[in-house]
Amino acid sequence: DGGITQSPKYLFRKEGQNVTLSCEQNLNHDAMYWYRQDPGQGLRLIYYSQIVNDFQKGDIAEGYSVSREKKESFPLTVTSAQKNPTAFYLCASSMQVNTEAFFGQGTRLTVV
Amino acid sequence: KQEVTQIPAALSVPEGENLVLNCSFTDSAIYNLQWFRQDPGKGLTSLLLIQSSQREQTSGRLNASLDKSSGRSTLYIAASQPGDSATYLCAVTGTGNQFYFGTGTSLTVIP
Repeated sequence: DGGITQSPKYLFRKEGQNVTLSCEQNLNHDAMYWYRQDPGQGLRLIYYSQIVNDFQKGDIAEGYSVSREKKESFPLTVTSAQKNPTAFYLCASSMQVNTEAFFGQGTRLTVV
Repeated sequence: KQEVTQIPAALSVPEGENLVLNCSFTDSAIYNLQWFRQDPGKGLTSLLLIQSSQREQTSGRLNASLDKSSGRSTLYIAASQPGDSATYLCAVTGTGNQFYFGTGTSLTVIP
């Protein structure tokens, strides 16, 4: 099945710990994105990558880091510097930047 | 910066009714507009993509229109069903290399 796989679906971490969210796609898309969704707010862009070994900060990149070593993978690390990390995280991909986007099923991160 | 607004925030209709969801954006210099559906606790499912040169797109009971000059799009859902209950999001892309999302319209179709 072609698509975007995010894992895990639910993640719990203690405050002060770094945590990495996985995003894998087999759509052969060049562009990948990470968004954060909070209740009552629209999706906000954390990072995006147009091509392997390249990525750009989005509107709310502080406290997050990414890597793009392979075309199919775009992991997101939530660091201890992120002040309010509890949220629903969504990964997306598109053939190129600004073309039709497809989303994974999301990871709900809870930091206690 | 692009601002996307969706009105109403919530909508409740009886089964079988036709309905319209609205999306407006402040910067008309867009490449695409995409409508998504999101079920509770789930990711986004792409419904329709309208390129900036197009006026509308149709898929089954869904029809999306785009008026780029006025910064507006509508999603028309015909003969609504309880299974249509979800949150509907619109997003636009432009020179910023990202999708700008509205906060969504939560739709409930009452059997």
